[in-house]
Amino acid sequence: KAGVTQTPRYLIKTRGQQVTLSCSPISGHRSVSWYQQTPGQGLQFLFEYFSETQRNKGNFPGRFSGRQFSNSRSEMNVSTLELGDSALYLCASSLSSGLGNTIYFGEGSWLTVV
Amino acid sequence: SQKIEQNSEALNIQEGKTATLTCNYTNYSPAYLQWYRQDPGRGPVFLLLIRENEKEKRKERLKVTFDTTLKQSLFHITASQPADSATYLCALDGNFNKFYFGSGTKLNVKP
Repeated sequence: KAGVTQTPRYLIKTRGQQVTLSCSPISGHRSVSWYQQTPGQGLQFLFEYFSETQRNKGNFPGRFSGRQFSNSRSEMNVSTLELGDSALYLCASSLSSGLGNTIYFGEGSWLTVV
Repeated sequence: SQKIEQNSEALNIQEGKTATLTCNYTNYSPAYLQWYRQDPGRGPVFLLLIRENEKEKRKERLKVTFDTTLKQSLFHITASQPADSATYLCALDGNFNKFYFGSGTKLNVKP
């Protein structure tokens, strides 16, 4: 069974630009969540989608947005990039999103903002 | 929100010894606690889940304990190997896959 696939793996953007990251979950998984990982803040939750609906959101500004498609694939978008947005963005999928659920991460997208 | 503390200092041990990593949390006690392993440049990989009513959980050379009174979980790797060298993350469940992660402890197992 293929794991969670994230594209692109690495990218460099300029301040003020926007970026779209893509995530294909494990087949059959309907929940997709996104996390940002930085050396200073660690892993922080961005948002979670299930059946195309955003059900939970972390404490990030509105520049961070996402969506999920009917095939469970998800994208996240960051607009008006800032230097502080440089991070590893991780997508995770799971069958459901109840307590005690296990999430499976992709390899992440490394974003560098210059 | 939850605050999770893991020893930020790297843990250096000799091959064959037992590594013990600590995870402390504040605020409410979660129903579940999970441990993940992360290698450099890779996404975290799930290792073990323990429920609040379980004191201990084992999987091969791994053992996790969960003390809701102390608000602490211990993660043990017995007979450690250099291949066990990685960063280990503690995570607490939230609603709708909103996990709270600790900053992780880097384990170095020397041959």
